[in-house]
Amino acid sequence: AQSVAQPEDQVNVAEGNPLTVKCTYSVSGNPYLFWYVQYPNRGLQFLLKYITGDNLVKGSYGFEAEFNKSQTSFHLKKPSALVSDSALYFCAVRDPYGGATNKLIFGTGTLLAVQP
Amino acid sequence: NAGVTQTPKFRILKIGQSMTLQCTQDMNHNYMYWYRQDPGMGLKLIYYSVGAGITDKGEVPNGYNVSRSTTEDFPLRLELAAPSQTSVYFCAIGSEQFFGPGTRLTVL
Repeated sequence: AQSVAQPEDQVNVAEGNPLTVKCTYSVSGNPYLFWYVQYPNRGLQFLLKYITGDNLVKGSYGFEAEFNKSQTSFHLKKPSALVSDSALYFCAVRDPYGGATNKLIFGTGTLLAVQP
Repeated sequence: NAGVTQTPKFRILKIGQSMTLQCTQDMNHNYMYWYRQDPGMGLKLIYYSVGAGITDKGEVPNGYNVSRSTTEDFPLRLELAAPSQTSVYFCAIGSEQFFGPGTRLTVL
């Protein structure tokens, strides 16, 4: 079955330190991978995606993600965390059997808490 | 350009009542999606549509219905509300799935 795993329910980091939010996937074929952020009482916002090409993908708000095919991972990273980065982060993969529907399979989310 | 609007923002229903969650877009996207979000469970796809007149079931369609008579609107209907439908509902559009602000529904 196609799936996405976010092994950490919560990640704590001090402001100014680098952050990593982990994501691993299990899909058939080449994965299309996404990261979204959700601030309190808001909908999800698209951060970045990997379709093909360079394994390091840059996105919004200084975030980037590294696609690693051998480890089936797509970890989200930022060199220097801000308190305002505190939010819920979701990894997602496009359903490879979804045809042209662009259906996404979401992970369960990781709460990022950045301490001042 | 409002993107995706959802109404209402909040609603409390009694068991057995019905309601329609509205989703409207002004971005002319063919793809529209309805998700529910429960704590610790991520997002689950309820229904989706690839264009006007075309809808299909997602992962958790039971207890819900949808229609897509126009490109702009994709309403989600709950016919007989149950406590298990207490959740936050999000509408999304487009291949990168631009999300609306959500509707928080409580069924008591």
